[in-house]
Amino acid sequence: RKEVEQDPGPFNVPEGATVAFNCTYSNSASQSFFWYRQDCRKEPKLLMSVYSSGNEDGRFTAQLNRASQYISLLIRDSKLSDSATYLCVVNIASGAGSYQLTFGKGTKLSVIP
Amino acid sequence: NAGVTQTPKFQVLKTGQSMTLQCAQDMNHNSMYWYRQDPGMGLRLIYYSASEGTTDKGEVPNGYNVSRLNKREFSLRLESAAPSQTSVYFCASTPRTSGGYTDTQYFGPGTRLTVL
Repeated sequence: RKEVEQDPGPFNVPEGATVAFNCTYSNSASQSFFWYRQDCRKEPKLLMSVYSSGNEDGRFTAQLNRASQYISLLIRDSKLSDSATYLCVVNIASGAGSYQLTFGKGTKLSVIP
Repeated sequence: NAGVTQTPKFQVLKTGQSMTLQCAQDMNHNSMYWYRQDPGMGLRLIYYSASEGTTDKGEVPNGYNVSRLNKREFSLRLESAAPSQTSVYFCASTPRTSGGYTDTQYFGPGTRLTVL
């Protein structure tokens, strides 16, 4: 099983639609969870951290299910500017008590006029 | 604050040539990282430095060396470039990694390297 798995998409949705991305991770001891956004030919940028209780930032809602080792991102009222690749990121133990962020391969979203 | 800066932005090398990619951050972060990103492969960790004076191998360290010159700067060296090292290289930094928790990573704009 890969450490962080995402559906690569692409997800093609009309403006105003609601779209959800899912991610699963392999390490039950992971403590830090994030969603990053990466625009074409740009660096990844933090979209939001994911907390156990779930959290919301405007049109974006993130959920964490530790029992199922599952993270989700919901985008409501999609905008053209939301078109990007969304990376699921989890810290994974890399040995000797050290943890490193492990990135999923990303889910590509295209919002269509 | 400039955040994380990388030089150069683009580079073309011939097989066997060497070069050093430079990275600097002005956020007083403790930890710094080098990743490569290839189509369909996602971001893969090459080396990291948890704190000044320490460096460790990541997932794909072969063919690379690093130097944590000081708290601000973390360089990546290719001693003898190979076509398989054609990629986009990102440097990142984070305030701290403590126990099982990892802070947000901040990325530089990337270096696009082609090895012929």
